[in-house]
Amino acid sequence: AQSVTQLDSHVSVSEGTPVLLRCNYSSSYSPSLFWYVQHPNKGLQLLLKYTSAATLVKGINGFEAEFKKSETSFHLTKPSAHMSDAAEYFCVVSDHGTSYDKVIFGPGTSLSVIP
Amino acid sequence: EAGVTQFPSHSVIEKGQTVTLRCDPISGHDNLYWYRRVMGKEIKFLLHFVKESKQDESGMPNNRFLAERTGGTYSTLKVQPAELEDSGVYFCASSSTASARGIAKNIQYFGAGTRLSVL
Repeated sequence: AQSVTQLDSHVSVSEGTPVLLRCNYSSSYSPSLFWYVQHPNKGLQLLLKYTSAATLVKGINGFEAEFKKSETSFHLTKPSAHMSDAAEYFCVVSDHGTSYDKVIFGPGTSLSVIP
Repeated sequence: EAGVTQFPSHSVIEKGQTVTLRCDPISGHDNLYWYRRVMGKEIKFLLHFVKESKQDESGMPNNRFLAERTGGTYSTLKVQPAELEDSGVYFCASSSTASARGIAKNIQYFGAGTRLSVL
């Protein structure tokens, strides 16, 4: 069975400092992993995806994530936080054991950026 | 290219009433998904259409929920009668093709969601 754990429900950082949002997963198959972001009153936007190619994935807005199979992790990082990064972030695992990409969402991490 | 659009953005109804949510997927996307996030809980899968057919409706909570996708284009999700615990945000997503095993060709694009409040 697939599952996703986001270890922090809320993270607060100062503007200009690094961001680390943690994600661990369990999967019976070789997973695809995604990070989505939701800004207030907006839809879920795809930040980046891992699909069994390079383990270090670069996404939009300066975010990147590294797939570590041995640690079953897919943490999201950014070197320098910007005020516009304040949003809720979801780690998602995709199940390839079915005929389509059924996705499982993590519980979300709310990121606050302090001026 | 227009994204996934959902109507209404917010709906407030009384317990026992009926509400219909609509989702217009990205043009040409055969796959359409409904998800829901109840307050304080995780985003949960409800069901999946391939064109007009229900591929997987294992996440539908009960028979008060009815989803349709007429002609394989837009989809509606009707809740009848609505209960207090149905309150939450309902997301729709669409994707273009079924994936090959091990390769996620099927990236899901999400709408802004409909916030449903049942009073």
